[in-house]
Amino acid sequence: NAGVTQTPKFQVLKTGQSMTLQCAQDMNHEYMSWYRQDPGMGLRLIHYSVGAGITDQGEVPNGYNVSRSTTEDFPLRLLSAAPSQTSVYFCASGDRGQSYGYTFGSGTRLTVV
Amino acid sequence: TQLLEQSPQFLSIQEGENLTVYCNSSSVFSSLQWYRQEPGEGPVLLVTVVTGGEVKKLKRLTFQFGDARKDSSLHITAAQTGDTGLYLCAGDLGNEKLTFGTGTRLTIIP
Repeated sequence: NAGVTQTPKFQVLKTGQSMTLQCAQDMNHEYMSWYRQDPGMGLRLIHYSVGAGITDQGEVPNGYNVSRSTTEDFPLRLLSAAPSQTSVYFCASGDRGQSYGYTFGSGTRLTVV
Repeated sequence: TQLLEQSPQFLSIQEGENLTVYCNSSSVFSSLQWYRQEPGEGPVLLVTVVTGGEVKKLKRLTFQFGDARKDSSLHITAAQTGDTGLYLCAGDLGNEKLTFGTGTRLTIIP
């Protein structure tokens, strides 16, 4: 099925560990982004990309790295996990200009202990 | 400071009633989107409004974009239990960054 695929769905990390959240889309969308969702705070933009080889910071980028080597993939790396990064992470993709809206993945629930 | 304020935060009504959810900002948006999110899933796009004063209908859901493109509303007629979920508005300031409101959690009681 066409859409945005996120893996893993659940992950528990110890403080200081690193990991990569995977995101892939098969709709040939130029725009991809990562959000985190915390209770009472809505979705906050971490990083985004307007095309292969181009990335930029969102509202809460600290502690996260991204790269965009292909149109399809946009992995999110946690360099040294902290309890404050416990959250649900969503990847989204869409056409440039955003007038057509985004397609979201089903999320990764991350717990840092 | 939240760029987009949604109200109410929580709403619980009986099946068959009507309701309106609001999304307000002091900023002007080039477009505004509404999403619905169910537990354990990502948000799903309902509609995008682009022109000030625009009204779009999706079955029993009516979306309106304010004339000044700073606010929007979602009206549901004759609510059904399937309408239960978290409703999110999201605004595009034209800078490639979509900003989300904190959401309205809607519960429809059978």
